[in-house]
Amino acid sequence: EPEVTQTPSHQVTQMGQEVILRCVPISNHLYFYWYRQILGQKVEFLVSFYNNEISEKSEIFDDQFSVERPDGSNFTLKIRSTKLEDSAMYFCASSEYSVVSYNEQFFGPGTRLTVL
Amino acid sequence: AQKITQTQPGMFVQEKEAVTLDCTYDTSDQSYGLFWYKQPSSGEMIFLIYQGSYDEQNATEGRYSLNFQKARKSANLVISASQLGDSAMYFCAMRDNSGGGADGLTFGKGTHLIIQP
Repeated sequence: EPEVTQTPSHQVTQMGQEVILRCVPISNHLYFYWYRQILGQKVEFLVSFYNNEISEKSEIFDDQFSVERPDGSNFTLKIRSTKLEDSAMYFCASSEYSVVSYNEQFFGPGTRLTVL
Repeated sequence: AQKITQTQPGMFVQEKEAVTLDCTYDTSDQSYGLFWYKQPSSGEMIFLIYQGSYDEQNATEGRYSLNFQKARKSANLVISASQLGDSAMYFCAMRDNSGGGADGLTFGKGTHLIIQP
């Protein structure tokens, strides 16, 4: 069964460093998303991406964050200068385009980012 | 703005009993979707069930059913015949469906369900 994959599973970085989190969405999916979950808290939407551009972003997704689809398979989230509060699990998700409103979002296993 | 409220931070249930996890929502959207996800201790997010705001029948998926009461803005998850493997965090989420898929999900804080033998 096709699945969303994410690398690395765990990333440790120093405050102020740049990190890139990578995701490979399901191959025929056209919508891509990033979410984060701070330890013990709810999952929060960051950004959605469609047709090579950002469709929607939350107030969390400030200038420190950027997303890119560098090739036909990868979808990346870059955090330019990490802060301690960026420590969280980051989930990538994807969904297929549908003429009906419902399209399930399939989540990847997550990347745990630890900022020291 | 959308809001999801899950009032049960934790629940203990005996194995084989039915479980109801509460979820209420608030939105001004006319077309929206309601989702339930399971998050085991391993951390992944597993989709369980979906209900559209215009769906007339309650959604069912195996042992999972969604008790959708639109007037009350509630979307409770019912798990029949609970199993030890059902122990996990359960998140209710919603999304505006008018955007054709671009909108992200708004999640509640979750309910930690523990099934006891």
